[in-house]
Amino acid sequence: GAGVSQTPSNKVTEKGKYVELRCDPISGHTALYWYRQSLGQGPEFLIYFQGTGAADDSGLPNDRFFAVRPEGSVSTLKIQRTERGDSAVYLCASSTQGGVSNEQFFGPGTRLTVL
Amino acid sequence: DAKTTQPPSMDCAEGRAANLPCNHSTISGNEYVYWYRQIHSQGPQYIIHGLKNNETNEMASLIITEDRKSSTLILPHATLRDTAVYYCIVRKGGSEKLVFGKGTKLTVNP
Repeated sequence: GAGVSQTPSNKVTEKGKYVELRCDPISGHTALYWYRQSLGQGPEFLIYFQGTGAADDSGLPNDRFFAVRPEGSVSTLKIQRTERGDSAVYLCASSTQGGVSNEQFFGPGTRLTVL
Repeated sequence: DAKTTQPPSMDCAEGRAANLPCNHSTISGNEYVYWYRQIHSQGPQYIIHGLKNNETNEMASLIITEDRKSSTLILPHATLRDTAVYYCIVRKGGSEKLVFGKGTKLTVNP
């Protein structure tokens, strides 16, 4: 079946602009995660949704970052007033219901470049 | 979450077993050991996880020492497609976040 999809695959923007990154999880998965990966580093956790609610947003770096999942399926990561340091690959993952026995399935990521 | 230590890189000949070590000396009783891998330009892929017993699936085997301070991921017959960065992660039961380090870059050579 279809895996996790993310759009766009690449996004180039200018410093100070607003961007939205979209994640379509695997159908029926209630848990959804956002991570970001800088060059040469492992992915870094940003936020976790269980259904429509953000159950853990402890990884969001500051209030310029916000994520929503209004219907418990598609999620959007929103970044305001982008900075060059926000350049990274943003990864989305989903899981059947979360928990230690449920693997996280990752999408291919969105490569964000802030000029 | 407990910190993990992995060698930055390893090489393996195609068809041979690849044994990837991981140290997690500060692991606590309710923390699981997970392995993911990331092939170039793709998202991470789950491989296997365990608590204290050895585990095996169609991809790999996970050997956890009795004191749980270290583990080894074994790919029994490595292929060129196994070239990737392998991440060892210690995850607390009840926590949803995966804390990735820099991993081990495994190169399988023909």
